[in-house]
Amino acid sequence: IAGITQAPTSQILAAGRRMTLRCTQDMRHNAMYWYRQDLGLGLRLIHYSNTAGTTGKGEVPDGYSVSRANTDDFPLTLASAVPSQTSVYFCASSATGVDEQFFGPGTRLTVL
Amino acid sequence: GQNIDQPTEMTATEGAIVQINCTYQTSGFNGLFWYQQHAGEAPTFLSYNVLDGLEEKGRFSSFLSRSKGYSYLLLKELQMKDSASYLCAAMDSNYQLIWGAGTKLIIKP
Repeated sequence: IAGITQAPTSQILAAGRRMTLRCTQDMRHNAMYWYRQDLGLGLRLIHYSNTAGTTGKGEVPDGYSVSRANTDDFPLTLASAVPSQTSVYFCASSATGVDEQFFGPGTRLTVL
Repeated sequence: GQNIDQPTEMTATEGAIVQINCTYQTSGFNGLFWYQQHAGEAPTFLSYNVLDGLEEKGRFSSFLSRSKGYSYLLLKELQMKDSASYLCAAMDSNYQLIWGAGTKLIIKP
């Protein structure tokens, strides 16, 4: 693989279910990010990780959790999905955390 | 609060020039980024400015005025493939990106 991959590409989920969105990068980037993108709004940061073993909360962290056990993987978990979490989710990474971010292809999530 | 403003939509003609403006208010400032996003795809990096002035990269140029909290993206010799949304993002004092809602650029033949 080259760059960032996300899985699944899309998912329809019943409210109350638990869901993990996967993100893997092979660029050995230190920083990784999870955003959601909703129509008419800018990308909003959910959680971030500046380096393996550390995570931080972004602008809209409620209802989401992340882990960063190694450099490559940064999964995002919805513990109990709600309809307001219907969105397109993008994972991104940057080499140092202060430079350009590279984005994965996104996961389109619908919560019914 | 932190805020990024950019026009919602712009229309231009193939072969012409278009300027997309962005104003920002952030807690601290560590640079201004422009990204391109085609419909249904991920954003891709276009440019980065941290000092005042113009950065030119082929048909695309980006300008920054830190004192005015203002940037623009200039696209020359427009092609149909330039039809996309253009996202402005400012990096704040915590090195987090604050994103505008994007400007949808429609190119007409």
